[in-house]
Amino acid sequence: QTVVTQEPSLTVSPGGTVTLTCASTTGAVTSNYYPNWVQQKPGQAPRTLIYGTSNKHSWTPARFSGSLLGGKAALTLSGVQPEDEAEYYCLLYLGAGQPWVFGGGTKLTVL
Amino acid sequence: QVQLVQSGAEVKKPGASVKVSCRTSEYTLSDYYFHWVRQAPGQGPEWMGIISPSGDSTLYAQNFQGRVTVTRDTSTRTVYMELSSLTSEDTAVYYCAREKPGGHFQEWGQGTLVIVSS
Repeated sequence: QTVVTQEPSLTVSPGGTVTLTCASTTGAVTSNYYPNWVQQKPGQAPRTLIYGTSNKHSWTPARFSGSLLGGKAALTLSGVQPEDEAEYYCLLYLGAGQPWVFGGGTKLTVL
Repeated sequence: QVQLVQSGAEVKKPGASVKVSCRTSEYTLSDYYFHWVRQAPGQGPEWMGIISPSGDSTLYAQNFQGRVTVTRDTSTRTVYMELSSLTSEDTAVYYCAREKPGGHFQEWGQGTLVIVSS
């Protein structure tokens, strides 16, 4: 069964830049995996920030950007704010047999 | 403003079934995929299943094969997820999510807590 892996935790200073990555045991992540990035704060429902690798929703702050980096999907936060402290999950489309799989999540601490 | 409204919390006995609903007042079901995702306490989300825009196709994660059924009622713009043979390990918050075809996850429901306890 395919596993999608993320950094378990990252810490960043306010105003700093951090990149979260998302890898698949099937091989290099491409745009055909339609990477989505989902933010979740404690006690709240998930909220999609990025879809289709790099597309933003109207509610996605400009400091968030998505890309492909070294065979992985990546989420970069530039100019991190305290309110960005949250859990971030990637979501990949893996094809007909196992359509969508979440990564294990990255707990982002802003300190 | 929440556009996907889910049904309320449920408490079920082991072995029972639960049916969770997800209603949209704004969108036509035939324009979107609808997914079901669950999140056990302290864990990450787990994808469960999907129903196609046409409503004639469903697909489920292997972990839930034979136990989960996703259906919809276009007249009430409601999507349902039924999970049977519940155990304590099914205690979780269950979410619906709307996807614009092409992998564009747009919106999530507020979640429904299902507790399985004897």
